This record gives sequence, structure tokens and C-alpha cells, in this order.
Amino acid sequence: DTGVSQNPRHKITKRGQNVTFRCDPISEHNRLYWYRQTLGQGPEFLTYFQNEAQLEKSRLLSDRFSAERPKGSFSTLEIQRTEQGDSAMYLCASSSGDSATNEKLFFGSGTQLSVL
Amino acid sequence: AQKVTQAQTEISVVEKEDVTLDCVYETRDTTYYLFWYKQPPSGELVFLIRRNSFDEQNEISGRYSWNFQKSTSSFNFTITASQVVDSAVYFCALVDSSYKLIFGSGTRLLVRP
Repeated sequence: DTGVSQNPRHKITKRGQNVTFRCDPISEHNRLYWYRQTLGQGPEFLTYFQNEAQLEKSRLLSDRFSAERPKGSFSTLEIQRTEQGDSAMYLCASSSGDSATNEKLFFGSGTQLSVL
Repeated sequence: AQKVTQAQTEISVVEKEDVTLDCVYETRDTTYYLFWYKQPPSGELVFLIRRNSFDEQNEISGRYSWNFQKSTSSFNFTITASQVVDSAVYFCALVDSSYKLIFGSGTRLLVRP
């Protein structure tokens, strides 16, 4: 068990470019979450998957954002036409999903996105 | 609506002092879970404790203790004899029927030698 892995750790891009982040959850975990964290704030929920199915998306996830989890394993989060307001830490978490309300989430170290 | 409030933005203590981090939550549900996570400078959120709404017993784990009071909707976290390694941002969080982990804005703890 190597924990939740996120790549890259840091991404610097120019406004208008597309970026893609990857998350590899703990292998036996069937739930995968994406959160966004800005400086001085707590993480904000973006979306989550139960296996390969995307079950919920936050209003924060505009049309420029898309997340996938093919085959219920790793997940990717893509941001198209990045804006400076997208600059944040993007956190991935996974859980075993035994119960939706008492989940202990295991978080990765995040991808820090800077949009210039 | 669900909400978690951590009114203390930053706390600074001297090593070996006790420190309490406050957390107040809002939910309409009777069944919910409360969490504390630690975020060290490396950025990874580390799970500390999970408590369900039907268990108001206080919990102690080493130098850490948690005081859950439903009457005041609070779930406070105390570190006894703080150490420099305790310096981090601490987040309180809530899960209810929305199935999403809702975080507070965090309290940055600085423990000075």
C-alpha cells in the first residue's frame, strides 16, 4: 500500500492552455474524490466516483473541467482553457466506500496548479 | 445546509503548552460524522479521528484529545504538551446525508521551540 499518488506535484501553465492531472488511488479503494484547495481555505469538494461511475459533481466544476476514471482505477482531471482563478491545489482522495457517511478518506499530496 | 466553522485562523504557542482548536458545525441531519485532519507543510491531509453523531464520549489518543458536545454543536481538539512537530494546519470536517466531506477553513498551529 503506497497511498494515494498524484502527478504532477506542480504545474505551471499559461492562461488558455489545457492541463491534465492524474490520481492513482489506493488499489482496493472503490471511491475516488477530487477536491480543490486555495490558500487559507479548506478543501472544497469537486466530484467523486464510485468505481468508474461519476456520481456527483459540484457547482464549482464548470464546463471547462472534466474528470474520468476509466476501468475504476486511476482518475484524470482535465481543465480546458485555464484561467488564473483555476490556480489552486487539486487534491485527490480515495476510500473503501463501505458507507458513504462514515468514510475515512486517504488524501494524496496534491497537484499545485499555477496559471500565469 | 452543512457548514463547519473554525474561528481560529492561526494559533501560536510555545512548546509544551496545551492548545485547543475549536470547531463548530451545522447540519440538519441526526446522523453524521465528524473528522479532524492534519495538513503538514508537505500538503498531504492526514486523518486524525472520526466520530459519529451518536457517540459523545470524549476520546484520548496519546497527547491528542477530542471533546464532542452535541448541545453546542462543537467538536474541539486539544493537544497536550505541544511539540514543534505539531505545527501544521488542522481541519475539522463533517459528513452527513450529502455524502460529501465538508471542511472548515482550518486553523494554522505554530508551535515555537
